[in-house]
Amino acid sequence: QVQLQESGPGLVKPSETLSLTCTVSDGSVTSGSYYWSWIRQPPGKGLEWIGYMYHSGNTDYNPSLKSRVTISADASNNQFSLKMSYVTAADTAVYYCARDLLWGQGILVTVSS
Amino acid sequence: DIVMTQTPLSLAVAPGQPAAISCKSSQSLLHSGKTYLYWYLQKPGQPPQLLIYEVSNRFSGVSDRFSGSGSGTDFTLKISRVEAEDVGVYYCMQSIQVPITFGQGTRLEIK
Repeated sequence: QVQLQESGPGLVKPSETLSLTCTVSDGSVTSGSYYWSWIRQPPGKGLEWIGYMYHSGNTDYNPSLKSRVTISADASNNQFSLKMSYVTAADTAVYYCARDLLWGQGILVTVSS
Repeated sequence: DIVMTQTPLSLAVAPGQPAAISCKSSQSLLHSGKTYLYWYLQKPGQPPQLLIYEVSNRFSGVSDRFSGSGSGTDFTLKISRVEAEDVGVYYCMQSIQVPITFGQGTRLEIK
């Protein structure tokens, strides 16, 4: 079964850009067959879909975050990434990457000065 | 956005007893013969894990104590005999329309 692993800074300052990477174990980022998603979960709260990439570069984003979010792929490194600009404390959450319906372990990102 | 409403939000069940969680969507999740409704379980300290896809299909390795049913806008997850390992928060999810949305979650505890 594919393994997904999130990585990136655990602490980001307000107004800066959050950048996370998801490494995929089986090289399938190069395939156009999957949906590559980011989802987040604020501490003690529910799940919020951020967006996904599919068909080798097409993207859809949650309208609530669309102006601040970019999802892209680095197929040569079997990775895809999330960038979220102008973060605030409200963006503090565990961020999960997913391939279709299978999720990584998640990474906690705290926004604080 | 499609609103997913779960009930109850919490339940406590004795081991060996059944449990049921309802999920209602604000729009039909049926499109071209496929219903885009999924169930996840988030155990304490873990990421959500897929239990059921497309209403009633158990994911690989999921116990047959779990079953999903429903159609259109009304769906149910049933656990035939609750075990201690079933503790956690259950979420329904729809992916027929962007943004993908989740129910609020139902916390299952053991009595």
